[in-house]
Amino acid sequence: QKEVEQDPGPLSVPEGAIVSLNCTYSNSAFQYFMWYRQYSRKGPELLMYTYSSGNKEDGRFTAQVDKSSKYISLFIRDSQPSDSATYLCATKAAGNKLTFGGGTRVLVKP
Amino acid sequence: EAEVAQSPRYKITEKSQAVAFWCDPISGHATLYWYRQILGQGPELLVQFQDESVVDDSQLPKDRFSAERLKGVDSTLKIQPAELGDSAMYLCASDRGILSGANVLTFGAGSRLTVL
Repeated sequence: QKEVEQDPGPLSVPEGAIVSLNCTYSNSAFQYFMWYRQYSRKGPELLMYTYSSGNKEDGRFTAQVDKSSKYISLFIRDSQPSDSATYLCATKAAGNKLTFGGGTRVLVKP
Repeated sequence: EAEVAQSPRYKITEKSQAVAFWCDPISGHATLYWYRQILGQGPELLVQFQDESVVDDSQLPKDRFSAERLKGVDSTLKIQPAELGDSAMYLCASDRGILSGANVLTFGAGSRLTVL
């Protein structure tokens, strides 16, 4: 079993819809949670970073962490075609290496 | 905006040949990472450097892969001999090297390797 699990998708939504992405993890020592966006043939870029449980909002993006359930989420409001990409969740414990999920491919149709 | 530079962007080689990738991290970033990303999967860490020292190379296939960061700045990842299963995107990333807490990695655009 992988330490971080993520549905590979693809997830197809119409423009303007809310995109909901999720990851589960197994290591209770993980404290730091990140979402990266990766466009085709490009490297991942950091979207959101949260520490421990709770919510964080940045523009159209909201990240949620539920440590009791070992569940992390990313919501994208008012989705745009430019949001079409692969979204990678990543997590780590303090001082340890970053562990990525497999990524979810998202397609926002005009 | 500062970037992590990688070259070449694309490399096609035949199996059993040698291949090398180069990475120049963001200036001042002490920690440098090489990741491998197979198509449809998330990145997996191959090697981590703190300055010129290897911190973690537990997932590096040392019989054929080598990595160096001689002066603690740029880095080279080499594969010799290349195998069909090495076809992947090789990503370099760097951060300031904060040992505790979140390491906010900045990735390069990657080097896509195809082994025929």
